[in-house]
Amino acid sequence: GENVEQHPSTLSVQEGDSAVIKCTYSDSASNYFPWYKQELGKRPQLIIDIRSNVGEKKDQRIAVTLNKTAKHFSLHITETQPEDSAVYFCAANPGGGADGLTFGKGTHLIIQP
Amino acid sequence: EADIYQTPRYLVIGTGKKITLECSQTMGHDKMYWYQQDPGMELHLIHYSYGVNSTEKGDLSSESTVSRIRTEHFPLTLESARPSHTSQYLCASSWQGAGTGELFFGEGSRLTVL
Repeated sequence: GENVEQHPSTLSVQEGDSAVIKCTYSDSASNYFPWYKQELGKRPQLIIDIRSNVGEKKDQRIAVTLNKTAKHFSLHITETQPEDSAVYFCAANPGGGADGLTFGKGTHLIIQP
Repeated sequence: EADIYQTPRYLVIGTGKKITLECSQTMGHDKMYWYQQDPGMELHLIHYSYGVNSTEKGDLSSESTVSRIRTEHFPLTLESARPSHTSQYLCASSWQGAGTGELFFGEGSRLTVL
């Protein structure tokens, strides 16, 4: 089955700086890669996703890049703000038309004032 | 407003009790999922359903069972709770499917078994 590795497990950055979270996946047939944000005590929510037919996608301060050859994708957050503090999960689908998601173990992002 | 609702939000029970975690959605989605979230925050799929009378086991082995008699309702049952079942349980639904489009999560049910 699919295996998703996520690094780092904890990331602390100064407010205003950029943050990068990296994930690798194992199934070369995977074609959908979402990122979910979970604030303390809240439910996970989709913040951005990318499909295998594009290499990069942006939405205001967040962007995701995908390298299919290396089976690697990353979340980039620029000009970080206190409300960016949360746990971020990457995920990948199993590919081959099957449903489901395998999540990474999560990154706890801490924005230092 | 369309949403996904879970009850109870918090439950503390003794070992051996039977419990049911309720999940209802007004999103109009056919596909529904149960995830178990451990203290380290990792998410594990334990059950899913593609519609009425459809239920499947997920990646993580679980002693729980589910049913899907109505489209909007996807309850999870533990016949005999044990301390190892202590966890947060998240229900989710999707129009396209988890592997294709957005998953909408409920607020979760935090279960503590003494």
